[in-house]
Amino acid sequence: EVQLVESGGDLVQPGGSLRLSCTASGFTFSNYWMSWFRQAPGKGLEWVANIKPDGSEQHYVDSVKGRFTISRDNAKNSLHLQLNSLRVEDTAIYYCARGVNHNRYWGQGILVIVSS
Amino acid sequence: DIQMTQSPSSLSASVGDRVTITCQASQDIRNHLNWYQQKPGKAPKLLIHDASNLETGVPSRFSGSGSGTDFTFTISSLQSDDFATYYCQQFDNFPRTFGPGTKVDIK
Repeated sequence: EVQLVESGGDLVQPGGSLRLSCTASGFTFSNYWMSWFRQAPGKGLEWVANIKPDGSEQHYVDSVKGRFTISRDNAKNSLHLQLNSLRVEDTAIYYCARGVNHNRYWGQGILVIVSS
Repeated sequence: DIQMTQSPSSLSASVGDRVTITCQASQDIRNHLNWYQQKPGKAPKLLIHDASNLETGVPSRFSGSGSGTDFTFTISSLQSDDFATYYCQQFDNFPRTFGPGTKVDIK
């Protein structure tokens, strides 16, 4: 059974940093693109970033470029999202998901709150 | 960036009703479109990929059609479990973009 479990969410002040993790199981992690999405409270879905299976290629939404970094550790079946220079508008539930085009499997989501 | 619009933004319907949601892309995305269902407090669920392909295990009352810039999502006979928000999403280009969602609630 495919499972994705996010961790690392917290309350952080504007300008602060946070590292989210997503631990994968039930499939060969190193064979798949992985993605991060987010959803601000009461708002719609937003794609944030994704990363190629070998980590050699990443893509980001413009609003996080230069502030967020997606990475992966295939030996540990884990995906990460480093969030720097956080803004109030980054407050959201962050989801990891498997795939680049068809995101069939999603984690349960982790809440990041950016507030002073 | 490719802009996705959806119509309507919300609708009220009864069990057994036929429900149709439209999605329009700001440029040709071929058939590179997904439809997701999301219930409150839950992660999105992929229902249809490549505009018209039903995900394994998804009931056949759900269907999708379209290509290019205009797409349609249909629930042929609404069930109580279908009350949720539905999103279209394009994967033709980066950044991946979603429509604003259509909330389907009980009449």
